[in-house]
Amino acid sequence: DAGITQSPRYKITETGRQVTLMCHQTWSHSYMFWYRQDLGHGLRLIYYSAAADITDKGEVPDGYVVSRSKTENFPLTLESATRSQTSVYFCASSVTQRGEAPLHFGNGTRLTVT
Amino acid sequence: SQQGEEDPQALSIQEGENATMNCSYKTSINNLQWYRQNSGRGLVHLILIRSNEREKHSGRLRVTLDTSKKSSSLLITASRAADTASYFCATDSGTYSGGGADGLTFGKGTHLIIQP
Repeated sequence: DAGITQSPRYKITETGRQVTLMCHQTWSHSYMFWYRQDLGHGLRLIYYSAAADITDKGEVPDGYVVSRSKTENFPLTLESATRSQTSVYFCASSVTQRGEAPLHFGNGTRLTVT
Repeated sequence: SQQGEEDPQALSIQEGENATMNCSYKTSINNLQWYRQNSGRGLVHLILIRSNEREKHSGRLRVTLDTSKKSSSLLITASRAADTASYFCATDSGTYSGGGADGLTFGKGTHLIIQP
């Protein structure tokens, strides 16, 4: 079945460590997105990608790095994790950046930074 | 920045009753979408309504859009325990002229509880 797989589902790390969250989609969608979900803030866009090797910042990009060497993968790296990055991270994909088509979400990675 | 804002923040009703959730937004939109999120899972798309549409149906779901009031509502009829979830509206107000984070902006959600 086509879909989006995020790994790991849960991650605990220490302040200052580098962490990479993985996202893999089998839809062959051009666009991929990273959101974080926090109580009181809803979902906020971190980065998105229009195609392989094309990425752009979202609303809250500071402290995060993305890459997209292959269309199906869109990893998110926290270069030096901080406690404020404790959150649930969702990867999504779509045929367009525009809101004229649905986003398809993974089941998220719950990250705790101690 | 938050565009859509759902109301109420939380709603508890009896099974079989109808549930209505509202979404208000501030700037003109191209499209508006509704999503459901079950506990511990990702968001699932429910309905997309375009700015030139006033109403859409999908099974027990009915979405209305009033662009003059900058608001949308999601009605779930004959609610079931399985409808217990958080519901989010997402607005598309992008100009897509380049250089910006256009795309969907999500509200904070309405948490719906269906009592058996």
